[in-house]
Amino acid sequence: EPEVTQTPSHQVTQMGQEVILRCVPISNHLYFYWYRQILGQKVEFLVSFYNNEISEKSEIFDDQFSVERPDGSNFTLKIRSTKLEDSAMYFCASNPGTGANVLTFGAGSRLTVL
Amino acid sequence: AQSVTQLGSHVSVSEGALVLLRCNYSSSVPPYLFWYVQYPNQGLQLLLKYTSAATLVKGINGFEAEFKKSETSFHLTKPSAHMSDAAEYFCAVSEGNEKLTFGTGTRLTIIP
Repeated sequence: EPEVTQTPSHQVTQMGQEVILRCVPISNHLYFYWYRQILGQKVEFLVSFYNNEISEKSEIFDDQFSVERPDGSNFTLKIRSTKLEDSAMYFCASNPGTGANVLTFGAGSRLTVL
Repeated sequence: AQSVTQLGSHVSVSEGALVLLRCNYSSSVPPYLFWYVQYPNQGLQLLLKYTSAATLVKGINGFEAEFKKSETSFHLTKPSAHMSDAAEYFCAVSEGNEKLTFGTGTRLTIIP
């Protein structure tokens, strides 16, 4: 069964450092998303991406965050200068864009900011 | 704006007993509704979805959910709990090809 793959599975970084989280969505999907889940809390929407541009973003997705689909397969989330409160599990998801909004999620990348 | 309320952050049931996890939604248009399951240290796996077809939806692992528009509910049930059902369950709503809005989750514990 097609799946969304994410790397790395776990990254530890120092506060202020840049982090890039990578995702390979399902190949024929058209919509791409990043969500995050702070430990013990609910899954929160960060950003959606369609037709090579951001289609929607949440209040969390400030100027420190950016997304890119550089080569037609990878979908990356960059955090420019990490803060302690960025520590979370980050989930990538993709959606075929046909009919119902059924997202397939990756296994997540756990980010720990020290 | 869409929202989801999951009643009960923790639910415990005995093995073999009925599982009932509650979800109420708010949406300005006919919604799409989903249940996802998260096992420890894993990602989100789709259990089932409602997309305006049959109101009783069957999913994986013996779970089902019923869409009740009059009650704005989409409760998840399973007739007989199994130890392997222990996980976190998230209800989510969407208004089309838009973002999913998740509930706060319900942690299901199965008592042997």
